[in-house]
Amino acid sequence: QKEVEQDPGPLSVPEGAIVSLNCTYSNSAFQYFMWYRQYSRKGPELLMYTYSSGNKEDGRFTAQVDKSSKYISLFIRDSQPSDSATYLCAMSARSFGNEKLTFGTGTRLTIIP
Amino acid sequence: NAGVTQTPKFRILKIGQSMTLQCAQDMNHNYMYWYRQDPGMGLKLIYYSVGAGITDKGEVPNGYNVSRSTTEDFPLRLELAAPSQTSVYFCASSNSRTGQETQYFGPGTRLLVL
Repeated sequence: QKEVEQDPGPLSVPEGAIVSLNCTYSNSAFQYFMWYRQYSRKGPELLMYTYSSGNKEDGRFTAQVDKSSKYISLFIRDSQPSDSATYLCAMSARSFGNEKLTFGTGTRLTIIP
Repeated sequence: NAGVTQTPKFRILKIGQSMTLQCAQDMNHNYMYWYRQDPGMGLKLIYYSVGAGITDKGEVPNGYNVSRSTTEDFPLRLELAAPSQTSVYFCASSNSRTGQETQYFGPGTRLLVL
């Protein structure tokens, strides 16, 4: 069993729709959760990060963590064609970046104009 | 700031050849990392460094070597290229001193071993 599971997609939705991206994990020590966005042929860039459980909102993006279910989500409201990318979840036990991050395999998202 | 830079962008190697993937950062970050990304497999950590002169193995270190003689540079060496090393390689860096610990990634090097 992989430590982090992520549906690879691809996921195609019309512009303006709400997008839900999810990851599940098995390691209960994970406390730091991140979402990276990766455009085609580019490096990943950090989109959002949260510590422990709860919600965090940044503009059209909301990250949720449910540690009891070992489940994290990223919601994108009013999706735009520029949101078309691969979204990677990442997590770790001790920090947002100063140690090994465990990544999901990524979900490829396409927003159709 | 240029951030994290990587060279070359793309390279084709023959089996058994060697090469060095270059990585540099100008953000004065103390931590640096090398990952490989294979289709459907996510990012796997190859090696990382917590400062100049200090390196450690990640999840998939076999077939690779690294060195960190300066804060800015973290080259990755492939000694005997194998088809299994065909991948996209990403270098990243982070700063443990500021509380902004997130990793910043370079644009990647695509490597094809034939």
